[in-house]
Amino acid sequence: DAGVTQSPTHLIKTRGQQVTLRCSPKSGHDTVSWYQQALGQGPQFIFQYYEEEERQRGNFPDRFSGHQFPNYSSELNVNALLLGDSALYLCASSLDLLGQPYNEQFFGPGTRLTVL
Amino acid sequence: DAKTTQPNSMESNEEEPVHLPCNHSTISGTDYIHWYRQLPSQGPEYVIHGLTSNVNNRMASLAIAEDRKSSTLILHRATLRDAAVYYCILGSTDSWGKLQFGAGTQVVVTP
Repeated sequence: DAGVTQSPTHLIKTRGQQVTLRCSPKSGHDTVSWYQQALGQGPQFIFQYYEEEERQRGNFPDRFSGHQFPNYSSELNVNALLLGDSALYLCASSLDLLGQPYNEQFFGPGTRLTVL
Repeated sequence: DAKTTQPNSMESNEEEPVHLPCNHSTISGTDYIHWYRQLPSQGPEYVIHGLTSNVNNRMASLAIAEDRKSSTLILHRATLRDAAVYYCILGSTDSWGKLQFGAGTQVVVTP
């Protein structure tokens, strides 16, 4: 059973460019969350997608947007890249169980984005 | 969102127990206590979670104070593979799995 997969592994962009990162959730999972992890810091929640809609959003500007497809895979788009966007971008998937108070998150290995 | 406080780092000898403290004095009644860890060059992975009672699984034990304002993650016999950053996170039952990571505790295991 494949876990969460992300592509690409590494990416180098220049300031002002746009980037798209991709995530395939663990088999059977329907919810995808995205996190940004700067060097030496803990991951920061960007947003979460469920039923192809953005359900929650962290404190990130509108330059960060996303999409979830009918097969539950997801994309993270970042426009007008800044040097400060250089980070490891993590995708996490879970299964939204109605009435269950806790959903374990399964993380992918991340995409390392470098903005020059 | 309720916050947690953890030591920056802890050191342990291989095959010795490791006790990782976490303070969460502003915890609410609906907050679960989650622990995740992040091995080098990997995404975080789930370790354990609890609400009020102590919990055990194959990876670790979670001891929760009676007033729930603190908890301790216990690794019973540290191995070199347990060297990682350990995150203590609070999540309410209506947070849909959203995790608010802090800086975590860097655990160093020496042979």
